[in-house]
Amino acid sequence: SQKIEQNSEALNIQEGKTATLTCNYTNYSPAYLQWYRQDPGRGPVFLLLIRENEKEKRKERLKVTFDTTLKQSLFHITASQPADSATYLCAGVTGGGNKLTFGTGTQLKVEL
Amino acid sequence: GAVVSQHPSWVICKSGTSVKIECRSLDFQATTMFWYRQFPKQSLMLMATSNEGSKATYEQGVEKDKFLINHASLTLSTLTVTSAHPEDSSFYICSARAYRDRGKETQYFGPGTRLLVL
Repeated sequence: SQKIEQNSEALNIQEGKTATLTCNYTNYSPAYLQWYRQDPGRGPVFLLLIRENEKEKRKERLKVTFDTTLKQSLFHITASQPADSATYLCAGVTGGGNKLTFGTGTQLKVEL
Repeated sequence: GAVVSQHPSWVICKSGTSVKIECRSLDFQATTMFWYRQFPKQSLMLMATSNEGSKATYEQGVEKDKFLINHASLTLSTLTVTSAHPEDSSFYICSARAYRDRGKETQYFGPGTRLLVL
């Protein structure tokens, strides 16, 4: 079955460093991947979308890559801040589809 | 902006009762609305997709008679959990795709509704 996998272990980093989160997919060829931020008890907030024919996308301190050979997307937050602490979700959609398939998310903690 | 609201934000009910959750798109018309369920430490699982004025399409394993979805207008969808049981306790999240974003992939998510069935 289609699977989106993210590292379930929390990622702890120091303020100012770059956080890198990984999303791997199996049995699946998503036409695009989306990254969301989710705070406790809240719904996801859309951050970035990257299509399968795009290698990299940037938005302010955020950068996403999409490697269809490795079947992987990396999500980077540069100059991380404590306010970036949250769970980050990866989601994929196949071409022409409506459905988002979500990973379990990776919790990021940025410490002072 | 594109704001989606949900009401109530949390609800506690007794086993056997029915609970209705509303999802509204506040500043846009939504052609399609989605209902998800999220258990602790797990990913969002799509329950159903609904288009305004037509019946919802349910995902495999989701009982349509238990989770009633009504997409009555372009700004409102409701999810009713009928005869709720403790195992239905979860975080229910809706999302909406804007009519103005036809052909685009953006979904706007609501803040979620926490349901606890005693």
